[in-house]
Amino acid sequence: DAGVIQSPRHEVTEMGQEVTLRCKPISGHDYLFWYRQTMMRGLELLIYFNNNVPIDDSGMPEDRFSAKMPNASFSTLKIQPSEPRDSAVYFCASRGSRAGNSEAFFGQGTRLTVV
Amino acid sequence: GIQVEQSPPDLILQEGANSTLRCNFSDSVNNLQWFHQNPWGQLINLFYIPSGTKQNGRLSATTVATERYSLLYISSSQTTDSGVYFCAVRDDKIIFGKGTRLHILP
Repeated sequence: DAGVIQSPRHEVTEMGQEVTLRCKPISGHDYLFWYRQTMMRGLELLIYFNNNVPIDDSGMPEDRFSAKMPNASFSTLKIQPSEPRDSAVYFCASRGSRAGNSEAFFGQGTRLTVV
Repeated sequence: GIQVEQSPPDLILQEGANSTLRCNFSDSVNNLQWFHQNPWGQLINLFYIPSGTKQNGRLSATTVATERYSLLYISSSQTTDSGVYFCAVRDDKIIFGKGTRLHILP
């Protein structure tokens, strides 16, 4: 497996624009996580899914953020409208729930800059 | 929720030195992982260690789940070991500590 794949790797956008981040989890993993990393707040869990269903979105900062998982192999995190304070690195991670595949793996992240 | 504390927050060592990083957690967890975030920002899996001891080259880790702590040992450190080391515990979701920033000087 190629691991967790995120796109784009870098995104620069103007304030007010919509931003969509994409994630492909490892095949066979039924949990998917979105994290945000900043210097001030470290690694924050935004939302996670189990079997494509959102389980806990209490970390989503506000209504401008939304996440979907339409199928087992794809998830998006959308910010609309974007603001400069959303600038951060966004990570996606996945893991399985069976013995032997429950180790979590992270994608390479998307570095978002909102100007 | 579960609290994860890592110590020390920062560590500066000379190349060749050994180090021990500690992770304390506040409640029973199903699992624990150690990650290394390299200077390019990638999160690299080091150990998946709910209990017991594992070794991988110069690195080893021990988790004592009943006492709610884990230790990461780095021996004969190299400059490429620099970066941030994270402990992450799991019940359902994955909860990270704030990390230990390690600087290895040549």
